[in-house]
Amino acid sequence: DAKTTQPNSMESNEEEPVHLPCNHSTISGTDYIHWYLQLPSQGPEYVIHGLTSNVNNRMASLAIAEDRKSSTLILHRATLRDAAVYYCILRANTGNQFYFGTGTSLTVIP
Amino acid sequence: DGGITQSPKYLFRKEGQNVTLSCEQNLNHDAMYWYRQDPGQGLRLIYYSQIVNDFQKGDIAEGYSVSREKKESFPLTVTSAQKNPTAFYLCASSVDRDSNQPQHFGDGTRLSIL
Repeated sequence: DAKTTQPNSMESNEEEPVHLPCNHSTISGTDYIHWYLQLPSQGPEYVIHGLTSNVNNRMASLAIAEDRKSSTLILHRATLRDAAVYYCILRANTGNQFYFGTGTSLTVIP
Repeated sequence: DGGITQSPKYLFRKEGQNVTLSCEQNLNHDAMYWYRQDPGQGLRLIYYSQIVNDFQKGDIAEGYSVSREKKESFPLTVTSAQKNPTAFYLCASSVDRDSNQPQHFGDGTRLSIL
């Protein structure tokens, strides 16, 4: 299984940037890196994904290391609504499965 | 609005009873998935279907069954063989099996044992 390692929890002050790290040292050349967030008692919500190059969208940025063994989800200005569990997931190009770990629980402090 | 609808939101099962969780999508997606989530844990794949009339076992398929008779529907049956069914069940869909496509999730069904 394609595995990822994330810190169990992180804290951030409101309106400050947040950098959520993810290690995926066993990543293969065709694995995509996906990020999802999950609010309590709701289904996960797609945030961003990428393969090799850094990616930006209206929600966040994804910075991928040159060797692709790690990545960082960047929330540019944390808001209270960003408090959630964030999952970093590898999706193999040859299969059809997402492998979810336990994610990082982000607390935003007012 | 397009999306995934799971019903019911809460479900209670008696010992020895089969129950069926509904999942409907109007996104015209080919692929659909069922996940189980236990408290404080990530999601684990139960079954997935890449196309109508086809489905594959995931990591924890024992005690569950599915069908995919229509593109928009992928019901999950939790059978009496599943000895620890209490969990949060999530249905998802994606355009197809292309790994570049994200999954869209429903709001889940919480199953409890009476």
